[in-house]
Amino acid sequence: AQSVTQPDIHITVSEGASLELRCNYSYGATPYLFWYVQSPGQGLQLLLKYFSGDTLVQGIKGFEAEFKRSQSSFNLRKPSVHWSDAAEYFCAVGSGGSYIPTFGRGTSLIVHP
Amino acid sequence: DTGVSQDPRHKITKRGQNVTFRCDPISEHNRLYWYRQTLGQGPEFLTYFQNEAQLEKSRLLSDRFSAERPKGSFSTLEIQRTEQGDSAMYLCASSSTGAIGNTIYFGEGSWLTVV
Repeated sequence: AQSVTQPDIHITVSEGASLELRCNYSYGATPYLFWYVQSPGQGLQLLLKYFSGDTLVQGIKGFEAEFKRSQSSFNLRKPSVHWSDAAEYFCAVGSGGSYIPTFGRGTSLIVHP
Repeated sequence: DTGVSQDPRHKITKRGQNVTFRCDPISEHNRLYWYRQTLGQGPEFLTYFQNEAQLEKSRLLSDRFSAERPKGSFSTLEIQRTEQGDSAMYLCASSSTGAIGNTIYFGEGSWLTVV
């Protein structure tokens, strides 16, 4: 069965600093990987996704993620964080014909001014 | 593109009552998903439809839960005899089939509080 681990429950960064959110997945074949963001009380918005090809994926809002098969990781990065990036971030893995994503528990990003 | 719409956004109900949530997917999407999210957790898959056919159900979907998508458009999720453990946000999402890589779009969610 596929699974996702987000080892950091909370991450605190200063505005303008760089950011990396960790994601490790477990799946036997080539996974489909996603990062979503959720603001308080809201639904989820897709930041980026990886299905195949270039392992460095560019997303919206200046985010990028790199798929590393050898490490079973798909970490999310941003070079300079803005206060509006404070939110909950979810990594997800999908597989098979249904592509139903399985989500991690999320990482809460706190941005200090 | 009006996005995925869910109604109601918030529902407070007494234990033992039945509740129903409605989801209107993006109009051209033939796949529709239901997830449940509790505080501090990621969304958990409940079920999904392709057109009107319910193709997969999670073991989380107990017999008190039923989902329908009668004409392959909107969907309803009903919870009978609600329990306090049902308190959560219920998320609906939709996507189109076809090429690998179709994005799944989520609605704003329906919050359920069982008192």
